[in-house]
Amino acid sequence: QKEVEQNSGPLSVPEGAIASLNCTYSDRGSQSFFWYRQYSGKSPELIMFIYSNGDKEDGRFTAQLNKASQYVSLLIRDSQPSDSATYLCAAFLDDYKLSFGAGTTVTVRA
Amino acid sequence: DGGITQSPKYLFRKEGQNVTLSCEQNLNHDAMYWYRQDPGQGLRLIYYSQIVNDFQKGDIAEGYSVSREKKESFPLTVTSAQKNPTAFYLCASSTGTGGRGKETQYFGPGTRLLVL
Repeated sequence: QKEVEQNSGPLSVPEGAIASLNCTYSDRGSQSFFWYRQYSGKSPELIMFIYSNGDKEDGRFTAQLNKASQYVSLLIRDSQPSDSATYLCAAFLDDYKLSFGAGTTVTVRA
Repeated sequence: DGGITQSPKYLFRKEGQNVTLSCEQNLNHDAMYWYRQDPGQGLRLIYYSQIVNDFQKGDIAEGYSVSREKKESFPLTVTSAQKNPTAFYLCASSTGTGGRGKETQYFGPGTRLLVL
């Protein structure tokens, strides 16, 4: 069974701290990875995608990909209460089919 | 404004009834997808379509049907054969180009289906 797995959470961090979310995937051939944010009752919205090994930064968000170890992570720097949401990791494990992890819920404490 | 619209926002189904969820996009995307989300779970793929008049079953297609007669539209019918239809249904689209798995999927606002 090809899978994407995430920390079960929930993850609680104080305002201004760094939130670290991890995701592992089963298919060594996967090439592209996505992080989505989903507020309660809403649809997922794309935060970042990453294709290459290493780090990719966008504002307060950094995605890290390590294909050898088959994990991808998301760091949220200077966490704000508005970052409180569920974060979904996704990877293409088959052509054209995006597989999602169950999500990690983050709560930022003011 | 370009985007994906889904209707209705909430839908109530009576036992034995078929219901249809609408998904429309004006992004000129070739590929469209339907996912189901249950509480505390990730998204599971129901059906997807890479091109007009063609679609493929996803991981949980039983009890569902789709059509793709127009590029902009990809309606999902939840049939009476789907015994546990209560869930949040999400439609997505992508450009459908770029080779293996490089197309970002964008989501509509979702339809919440409840059984009476």
